[in-house]
Amino acid sequence: GAGVSQTPSNKVTEKGKYVELRCDPISGHTALYWYRQSLGQGPEFLIYFQGTGAADDSGLPNDRFFAVRPEGSVSTLKIQRTERGDSAVYLCASSRTVNTEAFFGQGTRLTVV
Amino acid sequence: AQSVTQPDIHITVSEGASLELRCNYSYGATPYLFWYVQSPGQGLQLLLKYFSGDTLVQGIKGFEAEFKRSQSSFNLRKPSVHWSDAAEYFCAVVGGNTNAGKSTFGDGTTLTVKP
Repeated sequence: GAGVSQTPSNKVTEKGKYVELRCDPISGHTALYWYRQSLGQGPEFLIYFQGTGAADDSGLPNDRFFAVRPEGSVSTLKIQRTERGDSAVYLCASSRTVNTEAFFGQGTRLTVV
Repeated sequence: AQSVTQPDIHITVSEGASLELRCNYSYGATPYLFWYVQSPGQGLQLLLKYFSGDTLVQGIKGFEAEFKRSQSSFNLRKPSVHWSDAAEYFCAVVGGNTNAGKSTFGDGTTLTVKP
């Protein structure tokens, strides 16, 4: 596809469950970013990948959050033992290289009940 | 640390009127600056960016922004607003070597357009 694709678009899960959110970046983009957007706020940086490696994961809120990008393309954000405070829209973006224009997906709305 | 402030949470303008959305940033070196628009249910769309050079940058949909280093500002402007411009607007800054790839966003300004 032409753009960044995120699946699922919506996810409702029960408190304590494990969830995976998927991001398919634009083909050929080496940099991939995850952000979290809570209601009424701007996106908040979580982690970014350059190729397969996490170049900066300083935005991950705690060790329940983990992300991988094993082949340098698709990335999965994993959240263990979900809490109601994890409810937000999780945005993925990709760019050709770091600090060039980033293209955002439409996000996954996660609701923890 | 870099930060972005969008002082106006909500702005209402009449269709056809001019628009200016304010953005102030904090960053030690020359930043990369961006404006994004987000419509309900849509992803973030880049309107324009400043990396270097001419401080007045043109973007899509008739928007422009001016980088003013002395004021640490990067305000977004449009001379004549259309009803379809109603959306939320985010200013973002990306640092250089120390924060490469790590955008900091403001909390956004919601634009309402009156007919």
